[in-house]
Amino acid sequence: DAKTTQPPSMDCAEGRAANLPCNHSTISGNEYVYWYRQIHSQGPQYIIHGLKNNETNEMASLIITEDRKSSTLILPHATLRDTAVYYCIVRGAYKYIFGTGTRLKVLA
Amino acid sequence: DADVTQTPRNRITKTGKRIMLECSQTKGHDRMYWYRQDPGLGLRLIYYSFDVKDINKGEISDGYSVSRQAQAKFSLSLESAIPNQTALYFCATSDTRQGYTDTQYFGPGTRLTVL
Repeated sequence: DAKTTQPPSMDCAEGRAANLPCNHSTISGNEYVYWYRQIHSQGPQYIIHGLKNNETNEMASLIITEDRKSSTLILPHATLRDTAVYYCIVRGAYKYIFGTGTRLKVLA
Repeated sequence: DADVTQTPRNRITKTGKRIMLECSQTKGHDRMYWYRQDPGLGLRLIYYSFDVKDINKGEISDGYSVSRQAQAKFSLSLESAIPNQTALYFCATSDTRQGYTDTQYFGPGTRLTVL
C-alpha cells in the first residue's frame, strides 16, 4: 500500500485559498487519492477523491500531477470552519492507510 | 437522523472487563469497518466486513473481535480490556455498488477509556 507524506501543519488567512500538498510517490496505477478532514475528534469527513484527472466539487478541488506522485487539495475560500486535520489517503482495493495529516488553521 | 450511528459515545471501563461497541447504519451499504485513533495519530484499521459472512482482520486486530449481526450492524468487542486500548473508535461504511472507489463514510466515534 502506498504511503503519503504531508506537512504537519499550515496556516491560511480567512477568505484566501488553502493549498494542502501531499506526496505519494509510491502510488500504483489503480490506486485512488482520497482526502478527508477531521474537525476536533469528530468522525473523518469525506472531501474529494481522484485517480488521474483533476476533480472539483462543492467543497474543494483536487489537483493530481501527471506522474501521480503528488497532489494538492485546494479549498478556494477558506473559512474558520475549515480549521481541521486534513488527511491524504491512497486507497488500494479496499483499505485506507491514514497518515498523521496536516493540521490546517484558518486565521481571522 | 445520522446515517452511521455508534453507541455508546463515551465509555469508561476497568481493566479486564468485556465491552462491546456497536455500529448501525441506514445507508444500505454492504461494507463496514472498525478503526481506532490514538492521540495525534491517524486512524488504524481493526477489522472490516464486506458482507454478513465475510469478516477480515485489519492491521491491529489483536485483543478485539467483531460480529456482523446484519448488513446494517457491526459490533466490536474487547474481550478483556486493557489500558492501552484507550482510544477513539470509529465505524465506517462503504458501498461497492459505486464500483471500485467505494468511498468510506464515518460515524461520530466512541471515546473509550480503560482504567
